[in-house]
Amino acid sequence: GAVVSQHPSRVICKSGTSVKIECRSLDFQATTMFWYRQFPKKSLMLMATSNEGSKATYEQGVEKDKFLINHASLTLSTLTVTSAHPEDSSFYICSARGGSREGTYEQYFGPGTRLTVT
Amino acid sequence: RKEVEQDPGPFNVPEGATVAFNCTYSNSASQSFFWYRQDCRKEPKLLMSVYSSGNEDGRFTAQLNRASQYISLLIRDSKLSDSATYLCVVLHSGGYQKVTFGTGTKLQVIP
Repeated sequence: GAVVSQHPSRVICKSGTSVKIECRSLDFQATTMFWYRQFPKKSLMLMATSNEGSKATYEQGVEKDKFLINHASLTLSTLTVTSAHPEDSSFYICSARGGSREGTYEQYFGPGTRLTVT
Repeated sequence: RKEVEQDPGPFNVPEGATVAFNCTYSNSASQSFFWYRQDCRKEPKLLMSVYSSGNEDGRFTAQLNRASQYISLLIRDSKLSDSATYLCVVLHSGGYQKVTFGTGTKLQVIP
């Protein structure tokens, strides 16, 4: 299957600082990337959908000024958590849609980034 | 009503057993359906897409019932390594494509 990487895998930061998470599709061009967060023992919650070269579409309740998403190329999307607070601590997972088959809607997930804000 | 609903389980089954999960969805315009598997503290991995005609991959069979708006996953001859959370995922279009995850069904295969 297609490979998606995320960096960093784990980050601890202090309240008030900003953290950037990178998501890369390694062997395919991802026209669409998704960002999710997952709370313990809960399902994935879609935060935003980003298409290369255009602004991200945020889900209701997700602050776009706090979670900045940049999809600069067909292989890279970044999520920046600005002015992080302890309640932002979570597992953030990106996924990418693309692949070799035309019209496929399958998503491939990155390994996730565990953010802890102290 | 939630957009995508799953029984959270856990389903505790002995090795070799057959187990089935259902997932219901509320949006009749939903286009595509998938089953993902997620191990503890790991990212979800695509298990299989679900096609209208139903599809099988080894011990796994997925089916779609559009009339009743549910999808199912059947696992035959359960292995210990099948223990995981199985997520139902539904994709539909409404201006832009929206992906909705179920909360997952936890499966524990017991020796």
